[in-house]
Amino acid sequence: QVQLKESGPGLVQPSQTLSLTCTVSGFSLTSYNVHWVRQPPGKGLEWMGRMRYNGDTSYNSALKSRLSISRDTSKNQVFLKMNSLQTDDTGTYYCTRDRPGGFAYWGQGTLVTVSS
Amino acid sequence: NIVLTQSPATLSVTPGESVSLSCRASQSISTSIHWYQQKSNESPRLLIKYASQSISGIPSRFSGSGSGTDFTLSINRVESEDFSIYYCQQSYSSLLTFGSGTKLEIK
Repeated sequence: QVQLKESGPGLVQPSQTLSLTCTVSGFSLTSYNVHWVRQPPGKGLEWMGRMRYNGDTSYNSALKSRLSISRDTSKNQVFLKMNSLQTDDTGTYYCTRDRPGGFAYWGQGTLVTVSS
Repeated sequence: NIVLTQSPATLSVTPGESVSLSCRASQSISTSIHWYQQKSNESPRLLIKYASQSISGIPSRFSGSGSGTDFTLSINRVESEDFSIYYCQQSYSSLLTFGSGTKLEIK
């Protein structure tokens, strides 16, 4: 079955770089798009960006200058890197797979806290 | 960016009531809207795709309607497990956006 799982450090210092990994199973990264979505504590969902099936990327314009998404198809992994972290980057980070219409599959999310 | 405005922010209802949640887009997006339910400390769950298309495994009391800029998620006879937050999301633009959510709470 389709599964996605986020991993990475739970704590990042301000001004440092966040690196997260999304490991997927049950589908091919060359057939489906994988997205990153985040959610600050007690707040709504924010789309961050996508890795398309063909290797192209798209980013939220508000994050574009700090964000990079890449992949390793041999390892079934999608990576997120975001630099210059601040306290308002604290939140739960999800990877999710789309289908024709909406995000049908989500990881469990990983909580990232930005603090010194 | 396409802005999605959800209303109301909070809706207080009694189990058994039927409700309608609104999502309005800042420009016409045809039917490229999807609805999610998020319970506390859980990942979102896709309820409806493309404004009105049902999703396998989702109870039939959930339905969607609308096109252009105005969309509605309806819940027929709310059950206790339905009290959570609901989000709309557009895929008309390649830069995706979510609405700010409607919290459905018990009156």
